[in-house]
Amino acid sequence: QQQVKQSPQSLIVQKGGISIINCAYENTAFDYFPWYQQFPGKGPALLIAIRPDVSEKKEGRFTISFNKSAKQFSLHIMDSQPGDSATYFCAASNYGQNFVFGPGTRLSVLP
Amino acid sequence: GAVVSQHPSRVICKSGTSVKIECRSLDFQATTMFWYRQFPKQSLMLMATSNEGSKATYEQGVEKDKFLINHASLTLSTLTVTSAHPEDSSFYICSAGGQGADQPQHFGDGTRLSIL
Repeated sequence: QQQVKQSPQSLIVQKGGISIINCAYENTAFDYFPWYQQFPGKGPALLIAIRPDVSEKKEGRFTISFNKSAKQFSLHIMDSQPGDSATYFCAASNYGQNFVFGPGTRLSVLP
Repeated sequence: GAVVSQHPSRVICKSGTSVKIECRSLDFQATTMFWYRQFPKQSLMLMATSNEGSKATYEQGVEKDKFLINHASLTLSTLTVTSAHPEDSSFYICSAGGQGADQPQHFGDGTRLSIL
């Protein structure tokens, strides 16, 4: 029940395209859902986050869509750029407790 | 700027050596810090939760005598890999924050540990 599932495992997108990464969770006590971006040899960096009382949050080219009833959330990267090539992790936590990370998605944006 | 600083970024040492990794929260006081291990192309694996002024909480399967954690102040936690062996080679990452509503964890840049 603590698991966060993430798909796809890897994703290849053309420059300018839309990258979509999906996550699903089971624990309804989770109340905070951040996304992290990790470049090789670096620690994960917070990208964007959402709470379950909001269905969508947009920051620049990055949008989180949240479906509370389905217990699913997704990250959309609009106008994907080669510089977006990285590994993306979704995560879920319950008021700062039990921080759980998805297995990650390796995104490659082709020039 | 970075809110969590981790040092060193890379360590190469001989088998049997003990290695200390430092994790500092720069912009806030952290009563709790987290230590993760990450294998190539895999997700973050929580090793232990470091609690200021008290003993760390280790995840199942993590040897507490192998991975010593000290959290002596509100801004510093250290992970010591004792008598390191090649199988301990990995990418170790610390984080701080995530306590309370809407609080993300902030990660250090990680330490690449290579045991020869």
